[in-house]
Amino acid sequence: EDQVTQSPEALRLQEGESSSLNCSYTVSGLRGLFWYRQDPGKGPEFLFTLYSAGEEKEKERLKATLTKKESFLHITAPKPEDSATYLCAVLANFGNEKLTFGTGTRLTIIP
Amino acid sequence: DSGVTQTPKHLITATGQRVTLRCSPRSGDLSVYWYQQSLDQGLQFLIQYYNGEERAKGNILERFSAQQFPDLHSELNLSSLELGDSALYFCASSVDEGEETQYFGPGTRLLVL
Repeated sequence: EDQVTQSPEALRLQEGESSSLNCSYTVSGLRGLFWYRQDPGKGPEFLFTLYSAGEEKEKERLKATLTKKESFLHITAPKPEDSATYLCAVLANFGNEKLTFGTGTRLTIIP
Repeated sequence: DSGVTQTPKHLITATGQRVTLRCSPRSGDLSVYWYQQSLDQGLQFLIQYYNGEERAKGNILERFSAQQFPDLHSELNLSSLELGDSALYFCASSVDEGEETQYFGPGTRLLVL
């Protein structure tokens, strides 16, 4: 069964303090790994899709990387508006089209 | 704004009742997915429809059912509601069943009293 584990569960950073979030996964053939941002009470907002080991994608202060067993979401010089829960999900090559989500990392940026 | 719309935003009902949640996918998207998010379990896949046909099922209870209509909007029906069904219900859509990226709607918050 596909599994996604995210760490840490929660992270508090000072504004400008860079860090990384981890997503470890077990999947029967990876079709894609997805990062979403979710604000409280809102729907997940799509950030990135990564398809193969070594791939990197960037958007503003965020950079996502992928290896064969994990993905990292690097946050550079974060601002308070980056506070949110960051969700990682995988889609397997075989089986149905469902995304398997991790439980997320709740990120708080302190001004 | 993802382009996916869901109604209603909030729903309060009693145990044993039945409710219907509605979702309109992004323009041009043929696939619709339903997810449940509760505090202790995170986002769980319920069911997928593609162009009107059921394509995949997750851990969806027998008391729950869904359908996708010819205009591609979808409805999730929840019946014989229990306290534990209280959760956020999200709809997502993608261009087709081979397109990986799913875009999520704002959700419906269901509270069963």
